[in-house]
Amino acid sequence: SQKIEQNSEALNIQEGKTATLTCNYTNYSPAYLQWYRQDPGRGPVFLLLIRENEKEKRKERLKVTFDTTLKQSLFHITASQPADSATYLCALLASGYALNFGKGTSLLVTP
Amino acid sequence: GAGVSQSPSNKVTEKGKDVELRCDPISGHTALYWYRQSLGQGLEFLIYFQGNSAPDKSGLPSDRFSAERTGGSVSTLTIQRTQQEDSAVYLCASSLAGTGGQNIQYFGAGTRLSVL
Repeated sequence: SQKIEQNSEALNIQEGKTATLTCNYTNYSPAYLQWYRQDPGRGPVFLLLIRENEKEKRKERLKVTFDTTLKQSLFHITASQPADSATYLCALLASGYALNFGKGTSLLVTP
Repeated sequence: GAGVSQSPSNKVTEKGKDVELRCDPISGHTALYWYRQSLGQGLEFLIYFQGNSAPDKSGLPSDRFSAERTGGSVSTLTIQRTQQEDSAVYLCASSLAGTGGQNIQYFGAGTRLSVL
């Protein structure tokens, strides 16, 4: 069966450090992978999309890598700030339209 | 409005009652999705509408759940004879394209349903 795995343990890091979150998947052959951010009491917000033929994608302090051989995506936040504290979700297309989401990893950035 | 709007934001109901949850997608978005997020769980796909095509209901957990989309815009998710296990946050999303494409989805804030 298709699975998307994200580290269920919360990630606590100090302000200014780089946060790295992992998304592993099985039984998918995704054309692309998406990352979303979710704050408490809010819906997910789209951050980045990376295609299968892209190794790396950047947007401001965010960087995403995509290794289709390892079936893994890494999500990095450089120079992290307390405002980056949230849950980060990775998502893959289930069958052309609906997204399958991982359970997310909670990030806490402390001053 | 500029974003996806859901109402009510919170709903408390008694076991066995019916509830209706509403979603108003972003204007011009042809695709609309309902997801359910239980405490500590990921988002669970429920149903998908694309234009005038028949909806994909493959994620609905039981026949107590139904949804409709009127005029290609507003959608209503109905849960009949609610059970305690239906308690969750129900999220609606819309996107410009359904199948293929980048399918970036825009979510509402959700409706938190509590079944007592």
